[in-house]
Amino acid sequence: QSVLTQPPSMSAAPGQKVTISCSGSSSNIGNSYVSWYQQLPGTAPKLLIYENDKRPSGIPDRFSGSKSGTSATLGITGLQTGDEADYYCGTWDSSLSAGVFGGGTKLTVL
Amino acid sequence: EVQLVESGGGLVQAGGSLRLSCAASGFTFSSYWMTWVRRAPGKGLEWVANIEQDGSNKYYVDSVKGRFTISRDNAKNSLYLQMNSLRAEDTAVYYCARGLFGCAGGICDDYWGQGTLVTVSS
Repeated sequence: QSVLTQPPSMSAAPGQKVTISCSGSSSNIGNSYVSWYQQLPGTAPKLLIYENDKRPSGIPDRFSGSKSGTSATLGITGLQTGDEADYYCGTWDSSLSAGVFGGGTKLTVL
Repeated sequence: EVQLVESGGGLVQAGGSLRLSCAASGFTFSSYWMTWVRRAPGKGLEWVANIEQDGSNKYYVDSVKGRFTISRDNAKNSLYLQMNSLRAEDTAVYYCARGLFGCAGGICDDYWGQGTLVTVSS
């Protein structure tokens, strides 16, 4: 059982938009910044979004992040087949004094 | 070019020990927080531990406290994870990751190694 809650799976057609939710509590999302990671099959995770809505250099603006209260959202527009991956939200939990990830969302682009 | 290369994984019996290493290059290692993250087969990412630039502060997930120790040698540009009293549930690919410089909070790791597999047999 993950501290942060994400939908286990989502699917959408190429070219469409998808939003992935991440729900937490006042000790984690409500009290810290949220990051989002993409993990393609057989590869290491990749940072997509940090500090709720910032993109590292090289990440296309098709990826966006937002946070409100104890929830966060990752948006992906113009879906491509190459976006098929597992997506994770992550943040710091002040009660646990540890980092925490969501359970992950498997995105299928069909 | 930033590179992180993990080593030290392998097959170990329950109750045994392993020491993972992460060799860093292409950046000033001593200026960055470093983190270990794992992914068990069929499961999601799990944050394991992180360590401050000078090693003065370390944090662990509850499930490894008292069994795992994170450390670093800034002179050798290396990060370590000493894993003792290993359990079957510690079986996972272990990744080392670099904290994004200037990240204001949360967990923001911008470079990751390719991972090393630890298998604990019961």
